[in-house]
Formats: sequence, C-alpha cells, structure tokens
Amino acid sequence: EVQLVESGGGLVQPGGSLRLSCAASGFTFSNYWMSWVRQAPGKGLEWVANIKVDGSEKYYVDSVKGRFTISRDDAKNSLYLQMNSLRAEDTAVYYCARDEPVHDYWGQGTLVTVSS
Amino acid sequence: DIQMTQSPSSLSASVGDRVTITCRASQSIDSYLNWYQQKPGKAPKVLIYAASSLQSGVPSKFSGSGSGTDFTLTISSLQPEDFATYYCQQSYSRPRTFGQGTKVEIK
Repeated sequence: EVQLVESGGGLVQPGGSLRLSCAASGFTFSNYWMSWVRQAPGKGLEWVANIKVDGSEKYYVDSVKGRFTISRDDAKNSLYLQMNSLRAEDTAVYYCARDEPVHDYWGQGTLVTVSS
Repeated sequence: DIQMTQSPSSLSASVGDRVTITCRASQSIDSYLNWYQQKPGKAPKVLIYAASSLQSGVPSKFSGSGSGTDFTLTISSLQPEDFATYYCQQSYSRPRTFGQGTKVEIK
C-alpha cells in the first residue's frame, strides 16, 4: 500500500524557518518525481515545487523561489521542503504527492502557521 | 504561467442530477489536464488524468473531455458522496497550476 506521511509543520514566526519531511512507503520512491502542494485555510490548491527522480531538476512556483528548497533522500525514501524567510501568506496545509504526470497519491498534510 | 479558470465556482444540485464543470486554460495545454476531488479535511483524490482517462478505482460516472484550452468534467448521476470541491490542474508546464475549484453542494 502506498503511503505518504508528512511531518514537521507547526507555528513559526514571520521570517523564521521550518523543514517539512515526507516519508514514503509502498512503492519504489527513487522511480518517481515528487511534489509539494499547499492549501491555505479555506482556499484552493497551490502547487509549490517538484523534484525529478534523481534530484537533478527542481521547479518552484514564483512565490517561493529563493526561499524554499525541495530535496530528496532516496536511501531514506524521504522528501523534504526547507522553508526559509516564512511569511504570513505561507500559512497552509502542505501536502506531499507522488508526481508525473499526475498526483496519484497524497499524504494527509501538515499544517504550517506563520504568525507572531 | 498558465492560468486555469473553472466555472462555475459553486453549484447546487440534487441527487441524480447530471453535473458539468468547465475548466479553461490561458493557452493550449494539449490534453495535459487532470481533475481532482477534495472533501473537507481530506487530501485531494485524482479522478481523471490526461483529460479523459479514468484513474483506476474511480467510478465510471465520472468522465472528462476536451483538449487545447477547454475541458469538462461530467458526473453522470450525482450521489451523496460526490458533494465535494473539484479542481482541474494542468500538467503541460511548470508551475503545475490548479483551477480555483468548484464546490458542488446539495440543493
């Protein structure tokens, strides 16, 4: 059974940092692109970033470029999102999702709240 | 970036109704269009990929059509479990933009 489990969310002050993790199981993690998608409270879905199978290509939405970094550790079957210089508008549930060409499996999400 | 516009933003329908949701892309995306269903407090679930391919395990009451810039998701006979928010997403280019969502409510 494919499982994606996010962790690392929480309350952080504006300008702070947080690192999200996504533990994958039930499939050959190293064979798949992976994505982060977020959803602000009461709002729609926003694709944030994705990473190629070998980590050689990474793509970001403009609003997080230069602040967020997506990475993966295939030996640990894990996906990460390092979030720096956080802003109030980054407050959202962050989902990891298997990728390319469609997000066919999603985690349950982890809530990030940016507030003073 | 490619903009995805869904219509309507919300609709009220009755059990048994046929429902159609439209998604328009700001430029041609061939058939690189996916549809997701999301229920409150849950992660999205893919229904349709590549505009018209039904994801494994998804009931055949869901269907998708279109290519280029205009796409539709149709639910042939709405059931209580179908009341949810539906999103389209283009996978033609990055960023992989979503539509704003269509909330399907009970009339």
